[in-house]
Amino acid sequence: DSGVTQTPKHLITATGQRVTLRCSPRSGDLSVYWYQQSLDQGLQFLIQYYNGEERAKGNILERFSAQQFPDLHSELNLSSLELGDSALYFCASSPGTSVNNEQFFGPGTRLTVL
Amino acid sequence: EDKVVQSPLSLVVHEGDTVTLNCSYEVTNFRSLLWYKQEKKAPTFLFMLTSSGIEKKSGRLSSILDKKELFSILNITATQTGDSAIYLCAVKTSYDKVIFGPGTSLSVIP
Repeated sequence: DSGVTQTPKHLITATGQRVTLRCSPRSGDLSVYWYQQSLDQGLQFLIQYYNGEERAKGNILERFSAQQFPDLHSELNLSSLELGDSALYFCASSPGTSVNNEQFFGPGTRLTVL
Repeated sequence: EDKVVQSPLSLVVHEGDTVTLNCSYEVTNFRSLLWYKQEKKAPTFLFMLTSSGIEKKSGRLSSILDKKELFSILNITATQTGDSAIYLCAVKTSYDKVIFGPGTSLSVIP
């Protein structure tokens, strides 16, 4: 158990809908990272927040957005969902922003878009 | 465009064999290279490499980075069935952007 929690574990929804995925980092960790893992794309970095502010952006679609709250939990919002958004979404946390910080991954949220 | 390539993509070996997994990268502003092991759930951290030529070792696993040739290898000696997993290589660039390779699927058969 990495100490990172994600909810929900599974989510099934329809195309066009909007969902929110939630992540609570390890106690004391200030950085939160979001990743998408699909069969054809592998693990893709989406976005990183550090202490409430956006720090780095990867391959995140405009239909997706994220935020980190004062209590350091983070939410990833996915809107106008398409079939291709079906994937495993991981959240990871690390103590800071240093490149020497290891990232600890949560168990993931499996999103299925029908 | 930043990219990370891993080879082979899939590997089947017998218990006791030694395997070498390769990771090469082309990124701007390289900061560190990480190896992860992913079984059925979330990736778990193995190694972080930032300096060339310094081997990192943990039990039967070891890894080394060559920043001149832009690659890293992950060695697993005396493989066990519990080593069966997908091994992911990732590169961190400046501002914490992280690029993952496609992974190497390792199957160790008794």
